[in-house]
Order: sequence, then C-alpha cells, then structure tokens
Amino acid sequence: DIVMTQSPLSLPVIPGEPASISCRSSQSLLHSDGYNYLGWYLQKPGQSPQVLIYLASIRASGVPDRFSGSGSGTDFTLKINRVEAEDVGVYYCMQALQTPRTFGRGTRLEIK
Amino acid sequence: QVQLQESGPGLMKPSQTLSLTCTVSGGSISSGSYFWTWIRQPAGKGLEWIGHISPSGSTNYKPSLKSRVNMSVDTSKNQFSLKLSSVTAADTAVYYCAREVAGWGHFDYWGQGSLVTVTS
Repeated sequence: DIVMTQSPLSLPVIPGEPASISCRSSQSLLHSDGYNYLGWYLQKPGQSPQVLIYLASIRASGVPDRFSGSGSGTDFTLKINRVEAEDVGVYYCMQALQTPRTFGRGTRLEIK
Repeated sequence: QVQLQESGPGLMKPSQTLSLTCTVSGGSISSGSYFWTWIRQPAGKGLEWIGHISPSGSTNYKPSLKSRVNMSVDTSKNQFSLKLSSVTAADTAVYYCAREVAGWGHFDYWGQGSLVTVTS
C-alpha cells in the first residue's frame, strides 16, 4: 500500500494569515498520463469530508480560490491564502493512483 | 444534485454480518463514469478506504478486509451495498458511501455517514 504522511498534525492559525500543509507519499503519484493522483479533503466538525483539490492542483467545484494545491511525484502541498473561521477542521490528503486508496492521518486546523 | 444516503443496523454483536446500503438520488448509479465506494472512520480517527464497485459489478477491496467484504450493486433500486462478515469491536466506525469520479480519482459526493457500533 502507498503510505501517505502529512505534516503538521496540528496547525493553529490566526484568521487572515496563510497556512500550509504538507503531504508526502511513499511512492510517486505521477501517472504516465502526466497527472499526479493526489487529492485534498476537508472534514469540518460533525460533517462528511468534502473534496477541495484533485489531481494535485485542480480546485473542485465551489471551492474558494484561497485554496491551492501544488507538488508532483511524492511531495505535495495544500495552501490556504488567508485562513477564515470556516476553514477549521481536519485536512486529509489521499492518493488515487492505486488501490487500496490511502489517506494521510490528517491535519487539524484550528483558529488561534 | 446528487445525494447519497446510508442505511444500516446501528448496533451489532460480535461475529454478526454488517449490512449497509447506500441509496443514490439525483443521478444514475448505472453511469460508467464512477466507482461506488465505502469508507469508514472510527471515532476520533482517520479515514479508511474499504473498497469500491463499478456499475457493472466489478469490485476492488482493501486486501486486509478482502476475506470479509462483499459489495454489490442494484441498478433497479439505484443502490449499492456493503456486507462485512464476522465483525468485532474494531469494526465500530462511521461508514460513509461516496462516489469516486473514475479516471480522476476523487470523491465528489459523500453520504452523511452511518454509525455502526459492535458491542456484546
């Protein structure tokens, strides 16, 4: 199985400040089609996860443009330009290159 | 708007077989562009992919669960189902059904989740 490692596990942020989450995979997620099969999800308190980013850098429909994804191969980053109170929750990266799909352990973003 | 809704037993005893159904509305489960997926989350923990099924019935399961898992699809009811046999307390979790966009690899719609508790 591909192991996904996220850091940090906890991320306190002041509203309006930027935030960054790292995700590393145990093997390259770059497919021969040129895409990196890496997605980012946010699970807000008491809710189901929702997709933010797929194919490493494509923002899902309805996701604010303050969220951006980057990276290739084994190293990926989710950035939030200016954190808002509604961004609190647990962020997960997930690889979709192979089955079984595997998730990182999650990064809990909290407001300072 | 596509919606997914899980239904299940809630409370179970060890060694029983867990049965969950996901009803899809607002879209056809027969579309070949999606994988219909089960994911679970123990309380306070992360997400675990259990497996998925295509509209044609082709399945892919997590290897560590494969011996206990069976998924099926009922296109006439626009539903897909999960069976997990010989449950233990370790199977206690919120179970989500989700739709994976085939070829793009992301889950664009999720159910609200169904809590399954295994206790004697």
